[in-house]
Amino acid sequence: QSALTQPASVSGSPGQSITVSCTGTSSDVGGYNFVSWYQQEPGKAPKLMIYDVSNRPSGVSNRFSGSKSGNTASLTISGLQAEDEADYYCTSYASTTTLVFGTGTKVTVL
Amino acid sequence: HLQLQESGPGLVKPSETLSLTCTVSGGSISSISHYWGWIRQPPGKGLEWIGNIYYSGVTSYDPSLKSRVTISVDTSKNQFSLKVSSVTAADTAVYYCARPTGIYYHYFDYWGQGTLVTVSS
Repeated sequence: QSALTQPASVSGSPGQSITVSCTGTSSDVGGYNFVSWYQQEPGKAPKLMIYDVSNRPSGVSNRFSGSKSGNTASLTISGLQAEDEADYYCTSYASTTTLVFGTGTKVTVL
Repeated sequence: HLQLQESGPGLVKPSETLSLTCTVSGGSISSISHYWGWIRQPPGKGLEWIGNIYYSGVTSYDPSLKSRVTISVDTSKNQFSLKVSSVTAADTAVYYCARPTGIYYHYFDYWGQGTLVTVSS
């Protein structure tokens, strides 16, 4: 199973909105509404930010939102803050008992 | 509050078997509603799903690793384990244990802190 494709980096100024894309195929992202997003700060374990395309776990800021169109899922961070600077990974259910991660995106706050 | 903690050797020789254990606290590994999983991250690279296990022993593995990976569970110790055989330098990574959840156990809501395993002679 090939990794989902994400841009290597995305940047924005404080207060702006940015979007991170996650492109797969009809066998993973496009075939199921089971895309999730993780935030990973340096040296730390990933943290779940979005599950099932657009659902936020309790405690995650509503500045984080998710969506999907066709084979591409997106994570949008609105009102960008310095604390949002981290790596972000998407993942998708791919088929019976298979999961696939994205290549990862470094978000930089200018 | 559920906590997961990885443990095991930080250095493994090429061609040998990597063995790690994840100890679960704050909850029972025998919960009927959850699987338990392993994910790894090579230095400076992205995350890679390794596999999941149910408390009954039912497993699912990433196809690219399936021939070398075994995940097992010990409900008496509230632990689950990972073995990767015939390791090479490409298996050097931070290994995380985590709890997959969701209808297809397709996202992870609790993670261990991770443990670095280096494959080197």
